[in-house]
Amino acid sequence: KAGVTQTPRYLIKTRGQQVTLSCSPISGHRSVSWYQQTPGQGLQFLFEYFSETQRNKGNFPGRFSGRQFSNSRSEMNVSTLELGDSALYLCASSLVTGTTDTQYFGPGTRLTVL
Amino acid sequence: ILNVEQSPQSLHVQEGDSTNFTCSFPSSNFYALHWYRWETAKSPEALFVMTLNGDEKKKGRISATLNTKEGYSYLYIKGSQPEDSATYLCAFMARGGEAAGNKLTFGGGTRVLVKP
Repeated sequence: KAGVTQTPRYLIKTRGQQVTLSCSPISGHRSVSWYQQTPGQGLQFLFEYFSETQRNKGNFPGRFSGRQFSNSRSEMNVSTLELGDSALYLCASSLVTGTTDTQYFGPGTRLTVL
Repeated sequence: ILNVEQSPQSLHVQEGDSTNFTCSFPSSNFYALHWYRWETAKSPEALFVMTLNGDEKKKGRISATLNTKEGYSYLYIKGSQPEDSATYLCAFMARGGEAAGNKLTFGGGTRVLVKP
């Protein structure tokens, strides 16, 4: 069974640009969550999508947005990039939402903003 | 704001020795505690999902215990091997069903280095 995949793995952008990251969950999983990992803040929850609906949102500005498609693949978008957005972005998938199902993480996308 | 803390931040262990470290979390509104192992350049690997007070889970040489009343969990590594070198993360999940969703609040991690 294929794991969670994320594309691209590495990305370099400049301030003010926007970026779209993609996450393909494990087949059959309907929940996709996104996390940002920075050295100073650790892993922080961005948002979760389940059945194409945003279920939950972390404490991030509106520049961070996402969506989920009918095949459960998810994208997150960051507009007007700032230097502080440089981070590792991880997504995690699970079968459903709000249960104790294991959440499986992808390898992440490393975003560098210059 | 939920506070999930792990201690120590890092530890060095001699190969063959056993070790343990702590995750502290809010004792109220507890639903589940997840443990992950994260090796450099890899995806975080799920170790355990713990839900019941007094739970003990084991995977090979790694085990974990849970005390939801006092808000802590211990992770133990028995007979540490160099391949156990990784960052171990705990993550708190609050009760709330579909309304709370799958949000995990992570601790800062314990970085374990096993020296041959």
